[in-house]
Amino acid sequence: ETGVTQTPRHLVMGMTNKKSLKCEQHLGHNAMYWYKQSAKKPLELMFVYNFKEQTENNSVPSRFSPECPNSSHLFLHLHTLQPEDSALYLCASSQADREAFFGQGTRLTVV
Amino acid sequence: LAKTTQPISMDSYEGQEVNITCSHNNIATNDYITWYQQFPSQGPRFIIQGYKTKVTNEVASLFIPADRKSSTLSLPRVSLSDTAVYYCLVGGLGAAGNKLTFGGGTRVLVKP
Repeated sequence: ETGVTQTPRHLVMGMTNKKSLKCEQHLGHNAMYWYKQSAKKPLELMFVYNFKEQTENNSVPSRFSPECPNSSHLFLHLHTLQPEDSALYLCASSQADREAFFGQGTRLTVV
Repeated sequence: LAKTTQPISMDSYEGQEVNITCSHNNIATNDYITWYQQFPSQGPRFIIQGYKTKVTNEVASLFIPADRKSSTLSLPRVSLSDTAVYYCLVGGLGAAGNKLTFGGGTRVLVKP
């Protein structure tokens, strides 16, 4: 248990569906991150939020829409995804640039 | 951001010491060096962080030479459960530096 909780753990969605991934941390951290990890590939940083403000968008397609309503919660809204978007989506939080704590991830399958 | 280079993979045997070296030639003055461990289908887990010389905790040691252009993660007496991917990250403090960009990592296989 890292203190970062992601839901759901598994998600199967069609290409026309809209779904959301949720991440929650109660570690008092002020930075939160979304990563994508495709099979046998390194983690790809998608978004970074500092104090609820987005400070990094790593050229992510607009079909991925992040939302950070407060420092403890982070969402990733998904719509009209493609099969190649199937991956493990990981959320992390940290205090500034100190060590990050990761959630268990959401295994997403787009059919 | 400082780019890191690590070996792609390493094999070892139970009970041996594993040393993974990471190169970061353009490390900045305010950059820290952080190592993470990742098991399949799980999020990475923090192992150790350091700035210079040597840092040791209950699971690993981190050796950083004076020029800080490389670092070595040392895992003493590995077991089968240490089979994982190990990532070296370099980054500075503060919001501007916290992109936490992961490279390819080193896949360590511990054999019986």
